[in-house]
Amino acid sequence: KAGVTQTPRYLIKTRGQQVTLSCSPISGHRSVSWYQQTPGQGLQFLFEYFSETQRNKGNFPGRFSGRQFSNSRSEMNVSTLELGDSALYLCASSLVQDRGTEAFFGQGTRLTVV
Amino acid sequence: GNSVTQMEGPVTLSEEAFLTINCTYTATGYPSLFWYVQYPGEGLQLLLKATKADDKGSNKGFEATYRKETTSFHLEKGSVQVSDSAVYFCALGRSRGGNKLTFGTGTQLKVEL
Repeated sequence: KAGVTQTPRYLIKTRGQQVTLSCSPISGHRSVSWYQQTPGQGLQFLFEYFSETQRNKGNFPGRFSGRQFSNSRSEMNVSTLELGDSALYLCASSLVQDRGTEAFFGQGTRLTVV
Repeated sequence: GNSVTQMEGPVTLSEEAFLTINCTYTATGYPSLFWYVQYPGEGLQLLLKATKADDKGSNKGFEATYRKETTSFHLEKGSVQVSDSAVYFCALGRSRGGNKLTFGTGTQLKVEL
């Protein structure tokens, strides 16, 4: 069974540009969550989608947005990039939204903003 | 809101030593608790979990018990190996369901021969 696939693995962008990251969840999983990982702030929750609807949102500015498609694949977009957006962006997929459900993580997309 | 306090690292141990990584949490309701591990250049992998008080999660020799009275979920292993070197994250899931996880800061473990 294929795991969670994130593309691209590495990305370098210039300040002010926008970027789109992609996540393909495990087949059959309907929930996708996104996290930002930085040395200073650690792992922070961005948002969660289930059946194409955003169910939870973290404390990030509106420049960060996401969506989920009918096949459960998800994208996140960051507009007007800032240097502080440099981070590892992790996607996690889960089968359902029940309490205690395991989240399976992808390898992440390493975004560098210069 | 929910929060997780995790033991600061890095922790350096000799092979076959006993490992404890402390984790305490603050939460409303009755959360699920998880330990995730991250190897260099990789995403996170679930190590173990517990969903109710006094539950013991275990995997690959690692154990953690859900202690509601002390709001703790400490990770232990009786004999660590060099291959256990990684960063360990304690995480808290929402009480009402949904897959949002609140993570601790992570504890880097280095095991030496």
